[in-house]
Parts: sequence; C-alpha cells; structure tokens
Amino acid sequence: GAGVSQSPSNKVTEKGKDVELRCDPISGHTALYWYRQSLGQGLEFLIYFQGNSAPDKSGLPSDRFSAERTGGSVSTLTIQRTQQEDSAVYLCASSLGPEIYEQYFGPGTRLTVT
Amino acid sequence: GEDVEQSLFLSVREGDSSVINCTYTDSSSTYLYWYKQEPGAGLQLLTYIFSNMDMKQDQRLTVLLNKKDKHLSLRIADTQTGDSAIYFCAEGAGGSYIPTFGRGTSLIVHP
Repeated sequence: GAGVSQSPSNKVTEKGKDVELRCDPISGHTALYWYRQSLGQGLEFLIYFQGNSAPDKSGLPSDRFSAERTGGSVSTLTIQRTQQEDSAVYLCASSLGPEIYEQYFGPGTRLTVT
Repeated sequence: GEDVEQSLFLSVREGDSSVINCTYTDSSSTYLYWYKQEPGAGLQLLTYIFSNMDMKQDQRLTVLLNKKDKHLSLRIADTQTGDSAIYFCAEGAGGSYIPTFGRGTSLIVHP
C-alpha cells in the first residue's frame, strides 16, 4: 500500500517568502508528526496531531511556523517570512494511533532558503 | 529534560559485526527504538524494545538493553554494504507521544 508522501521533495525559496509543505499520511493513521532535521542534528519535533484533539504545538520554534490537518488526513506545514536558519529537511510521520512504537516516515521535503 | 546520545560515526568491514551504542537519560522510558535512514529517504523503523526486556533478536539484528545504565545497543551481524546508512536511537516515555531522537550514527561499510 501507499506510504507517507510529502511534497514538494525540494523547495528553494528566497528569504522572507512564505512556504507550504504538504504531508499525506497513510490512510487510517490517526497520529501525524512533523519533524525538522538539520545537517548533523537529530530530529527536532515540531508538532503532533492526534485525531480530532488539539495539536501539540510545543515544538514549533517560532510563531512563523504553523500547521493544520484537514479532515484528519492531509497536513500542511506553513513557514512565514522564511529565514536562512529554516533551511533543513522537514519530515512527516504517521502512526496508527497515539502509541509511538511504530512511526512511518515520508521521504521529507528539503527546504533551502537563499 | 530527556537526552539521547550516540556516537556520530562507525566504520566496519563488510562481513564483520557492527555495534551501534546509545545512552539515554529518561528513566521512565517505556519504548526504545532503532530507525535507519538511507540517503535522501525518511526514517525506517528497524526494531524496538520494551523497557522490561533485556534483549530482542530479529534476523541479523540484536538489540541489547541495560536499563540500569540506560544503555541501548544495536548489533548488526554480517554487515553488508547495503547496511550503510544513518541509524537513529529514540526513546519514548510512558504518557508522552513524542519520542526523543539521538543525532544518529553514520555507519560506513567498507568492502
């Protein structure tokens, strides 16, 4: 079956522009996570959605970052007024439920801010 | 706060065993995971172990957990060039749905 998909795979943008990154989780997965992976760093948690519950936004680094999940499926991560330090790979993962023992990751979106 | 530490690089010869080590600080960790990331791809769950287990074996993979020392290891037997990747250790604590990841160990397998 289809795995987690993300688009675009690569995005180059100018400093100050807004970007939208999309994640399509595996059908039926109620939990969805966004992470950021910078060069040489581990995974930085950004935001977590579980079903219809209020998302856990505790990892968002600034108010320029926001995310939504429509209909409990597709999610969009928006970065406003991008900065060079936002350059990273943004990974999305989904899982069947709030148990975290098995997350399925998408291939990521590589964002480069020039 | 929680912290997960891994060495950054490991180089082995094809056919040898690889041992990737990880230490964590959260004593309430319930699950511990190993993920593999190949170039240009997302992370793939390799295996996980519950905190009440000491060892788990799955084909060429052996996970050892020393809960007293908060030390986790992943052993890959008969390492192949296709095993070259970055391996991430992660821990999840009971009541938290957000795992903490280490920085990853880059495994390089020489022919």
